[in-house]
Amino acid sequence: EIVLTQSPGTLSLSPGERATLSCRASQSVSSSYLAWYQQKPGQAPRLLIYGASSRATGIPDRFGGSGSGTDFTLTISRLEPEDFAVYYCQQYGTSLWTFGQGTKVEIK
Amino acid sequence: QLQLQESGPGLVKPSETLSLTCTVSGASISSSSYYWGWIRQPPGRGLEWIGSIYYSGSTYYNPSLKSRVTISVDTSNNQFSLTLSSVTAADTAVYYCARFRRSGSYSFDYWGQGTLVTVSS
Repeated sequence: EIVLTQSPGTLSLSPGERATLSCRASQSVSSSYLAWYQQKPGQAPRLLIYGASSRATGIPDRFGGSGSGTDFTLTISRLEPEDFAVYYCQQYGTSLWTFGQGTKVEIK
Repeated sequence: QLQLQESGPGLVKPSETLSLTCTVSGASISSSSYYWGWIRQPPGRGLEWIGSIYYSGSTYYNPSLKSRVTISVDTSNNQFSLTLSSVTAADTAVYYCARFRRSGSYSFDYWGQGTLVTVSS
């Protein structure tokens, strides 16, 4: 089973700043099978990024994904007030799905 | 517009069985392009994948829950269901159903709103 470890646990930033979130896998993950989600309080998760770097429909271009193998990154170029939320990475492989534990992006 | 809606009891007693159904509208659950999954989130904690099912009935479970989980599909009613046996307080969570695209995006692209299930006597 592939374990995804996200860091940091909490990121305290101001609006307009750049956010860099990390997702590290315990073994190699196909880039095609790595996704990122955003979750706000009381809401279901929302798909942001699939295939490690492709934005889902309607996702603004300030959200970007990169990485390969065991190291993946979600970058928010300039934080907007609505971007303060929890972010999860997720992988799919050999008929098993796993999520990282999440990174909370909070207002500094 | 695709919608997924979870339904089932909000309160389950310890040692009993939790049962939830996800009703899909706006798309056919029998499409070969998707898996259908259950994910849960204990209060204040992260997401945990429970299991997924293909319209043919093929199932895939989280190894940590496999002994207690059954997921089934009812294509005639465009629904899929979750049962979790021998529940404890640790199974208290918001339970989500979601669609996973098997090609292209390989991601959970649509989610239900979630339903809180509390395990308590």
